[in-house]
Amino acid sequence: QKEVEQNSGPLSVPEGAIASLNCTYSDRGSQSFFWYRQYSGKSPELIMFIYSNGDKEDGRFTAQLNKASQYVSLLIRDSQPSDSATYLCAVTGSGGSNYKLTFGKGTLLTVNP
Amino acid sequence: ETGVTQTPRHLVMGMTNKKSLKCEQHLGHNAMYWYKQSAKKPLELMFVYNFKEQTENNSVPSRFSPECPNSSHLFLHLHTLQPEDSALYLCASSQGGGGVNNSPLHFGNGTRLTVT
Repeated sequence: QKEVEQNSGPLSVPEGAIASLNCTYSDRGSQSFFWYRQYSGKSPELIMFIYSNGDKEDGRFTAQLNKASQYVSLLIRDSQPSDSATYLCAVTGSGGSNYKLTFGKGTLLTVNP
Repeated sequence: ETGVTQTPRHLVMGMTNKKSLKCEQHLGHNAMYWYKQSAKKPLELMFVYNFKEQTENNSVPSRFSPECPNSSHLFLHLHTLQPEDSALYLCASSQGGGGVNNSPLHFGNGTRLTVT
């Protein structure tokens, strides 16, 4: 059973701070990693994806991947109240299942004004 | 505006009813998916269609029946559901075909289903 683990939170940070969201996965052969944001009552929307070890930055968001440790994280700099949402980590399967995404339960982030 | 459209947005049905959920994608993708999202649980993959062929049936009960007439449309036919089937049903699409750098999923707005 392939698993994706996230701290369910809630994670509470003050406005302007850095929010750090973490995810571990069990399938060592996974190749693609995604972060989705889901506002309450809405569908998930893609905010970042990363395929290679290291950091990938996009605006206030930085995704970090360490395949050896089977760990992927998302950093949100200068957090805003509008960033308050549930963040879902998703990981592709390996081999013939590489089109299938396994999702974590999500981490609820609250940014306090 | 989402490139994946789901209807209806909300659905209440009795356990003896038959209903269908509809999904349409305008992104030129080749793969379409049904996911179920229940409270406090991860998104659960139900079905995958890749180039109109069903490539995944994730041990879903037969009271859920998918249909994919073409690469742009996906249906989920529902009959004799149970109250525990109440959830948010999400349709998604991707470029499909697999590969190392797999195309991300694009989700529709979902159908909030309540079974009474």
